[in-house]
Amino acid sequence: EVHLVESGGDLVQPGGSLRLSCAASGLTFSSYEMNWVRQAPGKGLEWVSYISSSGSVIYYADSVKGRFTISRDNAKNSLYLQMNSLRAEDTAVYYCARVARGGYYEIGLWGQGTLVTVSS
Amino acid sequence: DIQMTQSPSSVSASVGDRVTITCRASQGISSWLAWYQQKPGKAPKLLISDASNLQSGVPSRFSGSGSGTEFTLTISSLQPEDFATYYCQQANSFPLTFGGGTKVEIK
Repeated sequence: EVHLVESGGDLVQPGGSLRLSCAASGLTFSSYEMNWVRQAPGKGLEWVSYISSSGSVIYYADSVKGRFTISRDNAKNSLYLQMNSLRAEDTAVYYCARVARGGYYEIGLWGQGTLVTVSS
Repeated sequence: DIQMTQSPSSVSASVGDRVTITCRASQGISSWLAWYQQKPGKAPKLLISDASNLQSGVPSRFSGSGSGTEFTLTISSLQPEDFATYYCQQANSFPLTFGGGTKVEIK
């Protein structure tokens, strides 16, 4: 069975850093583009970042550009999100999300999410 | 950036009702539109891609239509398990953007 499992969410102070991880199983991880999508408490979905299957193409939402870094290790079937200079507005559940089809941008597989809380 | 506007933001309906949700894009996105269903405390689930392509395992009472800037998601006969929040997403270009969501509630 195909799974994405996020980890690393925590309570962190404003200005702090956190690294999220996503472990993939049951799929050929290296074949798929990946994303991070977040959802603030009681709010809608917000796309955060995208990385191509090889890692050579990366995009960020303006709200996180310069602060967050997406990366992947295909040998470890893992996706990462390094989050620096965290703000209260970054508080959200962060989902690791795989595209449904190679080369297309709808999301076909989601993890269960990991909660990041930024508060003093 | 492409803005996605969903309406209504919430709808109250009864089992067996027909429900239609609209999603408008701020510029043309061809058919690069996806619909998701999200239940409380759960991750979203992809229902429809390419505006009208029903995903495997999704009941046929769900359908999608539209192209360009206006799209609809229709549930032909609402079932108890369909009470959830629905989101559209443009898959045309980065940054990817979602609509604000439509909560389908029990009347």
